[in-house]
Amino acid sequence: EAQVTQNPRYLITVTGKKLTVTCSQNMNHEYMSWYRQDPGLGLRQIYYSMNVEVTDKGDVPEGYKVSRKEKRNFPLILESPSPNQTSLYFCASSFQGEETQYFGPGTRLLVL
Amino acid sequence: GQSLEQPSEVTAVEGAIVQINCTYQTSGFYGLSWYQQHDGGAPTFLSYNALDGLEETGRFSSFLSRSDSYGYLLLQELQMKDSASYFCAVSQAGTALIFGKGTTLSVSS
Repeated sequence: EAQVTQNPRYLITVTGKKLTVTCSQNMNHEYMSWYRQDPGLGLRQIYYSMNVEVTDKGDVPEGYKVSRKEKRNFPLILESPSPNQTSLYFCASSFQGEETQYFGPGTRLLVL
Repeated sequence: GQSLEQPSEVTAVEGAIVQINCTYQTSGFYGLSWYQQHDGGAPTFLSYNALDGLEETGRFSSFLSRSDSYGYLLLQELQMKDSASYFCAVSQAGTALIFGKGTTLSVSS
């Protein structure tokens, strides 16, 4: 089944404790991206990647890191999480030049 | 800068027609997309317009006017299951996708 998977789906952590949210897609998509969704603010892009080893900042990259060592994986790293990073995070992927983005199920993060 | 404006809420009754407008201001515009998101779920793609005009997909249609930096999503024969949030999004050079803040549609019987 073609899909985007994220792990974990739910995470409660404390300020300053490094964490990684994994994202994997099995559709051979070149393009992958991370969004955060907060009430009243819609979906805001954190980082995106147009292919392996190619990443770029979105609208709200502060406090996040990403890597794209393999085509299928695009992990989101929070080196020192803070409470303002409490949010719902979505990973998405698509073929380059195609407009249909496929979203993962989301990861709910609470930083205490 | 870049921005997208869409109404925050729309209400309608079953069987009705509703239009959700989206105006945008952005550089490097490639096209306008629409996504649906049910509460707590993942956004799902509905439609995309790169050229001016109307695109129809079943009960849903989407329109774009590039000269007016304006588009809309038209939902016909509304059903209860259409209650969801709807996001317009602009594609820019490099495939970055910028989303509006979303419109919550509530359909009542």
